[in-house]
Amino acid sequence: KAGVTQTPRYLIKTRGQQVTLSCSPISGHRSVSWYQQTPGQGLQFLFEYFSETQRNKGNFPGRFSGRQFSNSRSEMNVSTLELGDSALYLCASSLVGGGQIFGPGTRLTVL
Amino acid sequence: QQQVKQSPQSLIVQKGGISIINCAYENTAFDYFPWYQQFPGKGPALLIAIRPDVSEKKEGRFTISFNKSAKQFSLHIMDSQPGDSATYFCAASMSGSQGNLIFGKGTKLSVKP
Repeated sequence: KAGVTQTPRYLIKTRGQQVTLSCSPISGHRSVSWYQQTPGQGLQFLFEYFSETQRNKGNFPGRFSGRQFSNSRSEMNVSTLELGDSALYLCASSLVGGGQIFGPGTRLTVL
Repeated sequence: QQQVKQSPQSLIVQKGGISIINCAYENTAFDYFPWYQQFPGKGPALLIAIRPDVSEKKEGRFTISFNKSAKQFSLHIMDSQPGDSATYFCAASMSGSQGNLIFGKGTKLSVKP
């Protein structure tokens, strides 16, 4: 069974730009969550989607948004990038009530 | 407000020894407690998880001990190996919100040969 895939794996952007990251969950997993990982703040929850609906949202500004498609694939978007948005963005998928399985992440660098 | 506190920040253990990492939580609504292992350049990998209705769960060399009254749980790695050298994260979530994991800050484990 293929794992969670995230594209792209690496991304370099400049301040003010916007970025879209993609996540394909494990087949059959309908829940997808996104996390931001930085050395200073650690792993922080961004949002969770289930059946195309956002179920939970973390404490991040409105510049961070996401969506989920009918095939459970998910995207997250960050607009008006700031230097502090440089991080590893992780996607995780799970079955209902199951443990979250993480993808390899997308390393975003904002210059 | 840090809802899940993890200690120690770093740990050095000799090969064959026992590695112990501790976590404490504040929110009594948490009912799912997983541990993740992360190697550099990789995403976190689910190791083992426990719910509050049991006090201990063992999978291979990994054991979670859970103390509901103290609001603490810990990971024990028996017979630690150099290949176990990684960063370990504890986490917690609430029923109906399992997709929203609150993570500890992580413990960097080094197992010396």
